[in-house]
Amino acid sequence: SAVISQKPSRDICQRGTSLTIQCQVDSQVTMMFWYRQQPGQSLTLIATANQGSEATYESGFVIDKFPISRPNLTFSTLTVSNMSPEDSSIYLCSGKDANQETQYFGPGTRLLVL
Amino acid sequence: KQEVTQIPAALSVPEGENLVLNCSFTDSAIYNLQWFRQDPGKGLTSLLLIQSSQREQTSGRLNASLDKSSGRSTLYIAASQPGDSATYLCAVMNTGFQKLVFGTGTRLLVSP
Repeated sequence: SAVISQKPSRDICQRGTSLTIQCQVDSQVTMMFWYRQQPGQSLTLIATANQGSEATYESGFVIDKFPISRPNLTFSTLTVSNMSPEDSSIYLCSGKDANQETQYFGPGTRLLVL
Repeated sequence: KQEVTQIPAALSVPEGENLVLNCSFTDSAIYNLQWFRQDPGKGLTSLLLIQSSQREQTSGRLNASLDKSSGRSTLYIAASQPGDSATYLCAVMNTGFQKLVFGTGTRLLVSP
């Protein structure tokens, strides 16, 4: 199994600013994903973080708003840019090996935008 | 587009009861289905994974079934305990993709 950590665990930010969330996996994983969980709702996939290349974004999410980096097989960052109160959510990082079925999740980053 | 729905949205039971959580999905072309548990501040924990070719999986007091043709899965929890209190999410992975589509979740409260 993989253990995933995220930093920060929570933050309160002012509108118009940006926040970068870090995700660290304790073992190499083929695939990493970023999810958003808005208040009272389920998880929605933002993008798949690809090592050494641009992330693959889901419909409704764009790189200018959510730039993602993945420099190696154990680390990724998600930036929430030019934040507005509507960005207040929990952001979760996830990892999965292509040869395994189970997907592992980090504890999430709880973001509040004022 | 795959859509996953869970019923009920919330459930409150006394300790010791057996209970069933339901999950339905619109596209039966799934690769697998997973049940997760979400605790506040602790992310998601994978409970059970059922391959599309399987009918059920068991782990301790948990049993998950899958009826792919009807687009349904159930999570059965036997002899519930207060420690089972959490939000339970089901998620499906469609054939040909590596992405999970999550359900709306069932918030479970087991009271002593």
